[in-house]
Amino acid sequence: DTAVSQTPKYLVTQMGNDKSIKCEQNLGHDTMYWYKQDSKKFLKIMFSYNNKELIINETVPNRFSPKSPDKAHLNLHINSLELGDSAVYFCASSLLAGDTDTQYFGPGTRLTVL
Amino acid sequence: AQSVTQPDIHITVSEGASLELRCNYSYGATPYLFWYVQSPGQGLQLLLKYFSGDTLVQGIKGFEAEFKRSQSSFNLRKPSVHWSDAAEYFCAVGAVTNKLIFGAGTRLAVHP
Repeated sequence: DTAVSQTPKYLVTQMGNDKSIKCEQNLGHDTMYWYKQDSKKFLKIMFSYNNKELIINETVPNRFSPKSPDKAHLNLHINSLELGDSAVYFCASSLLAGDTDTQYFGPGTRLTVL
Repeated sequence: AQSVTQPDIHITVSEGASLELRCNYSYGATPYLFWYVQSPGQGLQLLLKYFSGDTLVQGIKGFEAEFKRSQSSFNLRKPSVHWSDAAEYFCAVGAVTNKLIFGAGTRLAVHP
């Protein structure tokens, strides 16, 4: 059983399009996250939700909108895609939102914007 | 500001040799420290973590790390590297609200 899953695994699209990435966790965790890994492998948090409420919102363009329909799902919608959005996006989850809680990562979604 | 530095971008070792990957952090409070490994095309897997107590922590796959507050370091070690250890290794510090702040990563190559 996959603990944290993401779909799609690969996403290739044109500039200006709108796309969504889905994330689901079956660990029973309360907190979910989105991270962006750029071409230099640098990982940076984007958003975090705890019990469907937004608790971390880093300085991310408002073209990025997370949606959490329930505790087990955190989707990422991106409007008006730009070349610089090309990256690998990782979803993660943790039991709670404390700073000692281990985060479990999904396999990533490689987004390529042409 | 909170930050994590991994000074070595790329390290190559021979199979069977010992390994040490360096990690330095900057954090005002008691740090919660993690090492993750990313195999090619895969997500991140937790190797080990330090919250408090014994400064030498054991992890999976034979890895260990030592927390040294005086040096602001949390170096990862393995006494004998296997070819399957070739991967990208990330050190991270857990900040308030469980935001992980990652280092830039160290790519490990293993020669047969």
